[in-house]
Amino acid sequence: AQRVTQPEKLLSVFKGAPVELKCNYSYSGSPELFWYVQYSRQRLQLLLRHISRESIKGFTADLNKGETSFHLKKPFAQEEDSAMYYCALSGGFKTIFGAGTRLFVKA
Amino acid sequence: DAGVTQSPTHLIKTRGQHVTLRCSPISGHKSVSWYQQVLGQGPQFIFQYYEKEERGRGNFPDRFSARQFPNYSSELNVNALLLGDSALYLCASSYRRSENTEAFFGQGTRLTVV
Repeated sequence: AQRVTQPEKLLSVFKGAPVELKCNYSYSGSPELFWYVQYSRQRLQLLLRHISRESIKGFTADLNKGETSFHLKKPFAQEEDSAMYYCALSGGFKTIFGAGTRLFVKA
Repeated sequence: DAGVTQSPTHLIKTRGQHVTLRCSPISGHKSVSWYQQVLGQGPQFIFQYYEKEERGRGNFPDRFSARQFPNYSSELNVNALLLGDSALYLCASSYRRSENTEAFFGQGTRLTVV
């Protein structure tokens, strides 16, 4: 069964501290993995996808097939990173989202 | 381009009633997906439509149905509403149906069933 697990509902860090938002998935095939972000009063939007292997707003995510993980990382958190982050998996014409992690970056 | 637009933004229905939610995708996008988001949870996949045909379906009862029109807009219909159907319903469009394609989300329709 397809499943995406984000174990932390809330993550609070100080500005300048490293951030890691965890995502584990379960899927029998080769999934496409994404991180979506929702800033306050804005729509859900794509942050990055594993196939692109890019860094967006300083965030990176590496797909670890052995550990079935796709953790989102940023070396130095900024206040404007405060938002809701969702990990998502696409496969078999379905897209499954995790429950989300709220990141709060304190000044 | 206004992006993905959904209507209405809010509505209140009574248990047992029927509701229709509407979605207009970004111009040129041929794929539309629907999600249900209950408070405190991530979006849950309901349907994906591409070129007017259903391509994917989530674990929702038959009370939920959808269709896509020749202009690629879409409707989500829910019959015999239950209190548990109260949620934010999101529509997302993408250019292709392939699974590594970015989805663009609408602002959602907030449905309250009383």
